Amino acid sequence: NAGVTQTPKFQVLKTGQSMTLQCAQDMNHEYMSWYRQDPGMGLRLIHYSVGAGITDQGEVPNGYNVSRSTTEDFPLRLLSAAPSQTSVYFCASRQGGLDTQYFGPGTRLTVL
Amino acid sequence: QKEVEQDPGPLSVPEGAIVSLNCTYSNSAFQYFMWYRQYSRKGPELLMYTYSSGNKEDGRFTAQVDKSSKYISLFIRDSQPSDSATYLCAMKPVTSGTYKYIFGTGTRLKVLA
Repeated sequence: NAGVTQTPKFQVLKTGQSMTLQCAQDMNHEYMSWYRQDPGMGLRLIHYSVGAGITDQGEVPNGYNVSRSTTEDFPLRLLSAAPSQTSVYFCASRQGGLDTQYFGPGTRLTVL
Repeated sequence: QKEVEQDPGPLSVPEGAIVSLNCTYSNSAFQYFMWYRQYSRKGPELLMYTYSSGNKEDGRFTAQVDKSSKYISLFIRDSQPSDSATYLCAMKPVTSGTYKYIFGTGTRLKVLA
């Protein structure tokens, strides 16, 4: 099993550009989440999904969109990148009813 | 005030030392407590998971929860250079249907050979 995979590993954007961060898992997990990790802030939940077709907002959803058309994939879209979105982004998945989250390796995003 | 407080460190100890990592929290509804280990430029991985108060041991690691003091700890015995990482605490309330975990900011640990 590859677990949770994320692409790209690194990305540099200019202010106003849009892009999609990809996340995929091969463990047939129902729940998937996107977090951002910033110095001194810890991991903060952006959006999450409890199954295909079902998504909801987390703590810091503004400027981001998600969709979940399949169990495996959970892309995160930045609509119009801002310097405040410079961060490390982690995707995570877990099986319903269990608290063990499996994290991907992260995407380091810089917005100039 | 943050819901979960964690000293960022760095904490430097010699190889073989006993390490104590701690988090305090303010929400008495938290019932599930987790410790994650995050190596540099990697994603977090779950290390320990406990429910409510008490101790849980797994090899060299012991997780301790004191709900009366709103305080959780992770002890590492016989620390090794390979334990050098950032340790994140995380917690979740017992409310059914909640999917939101609150993470501490992490404590950076360096174990010196």
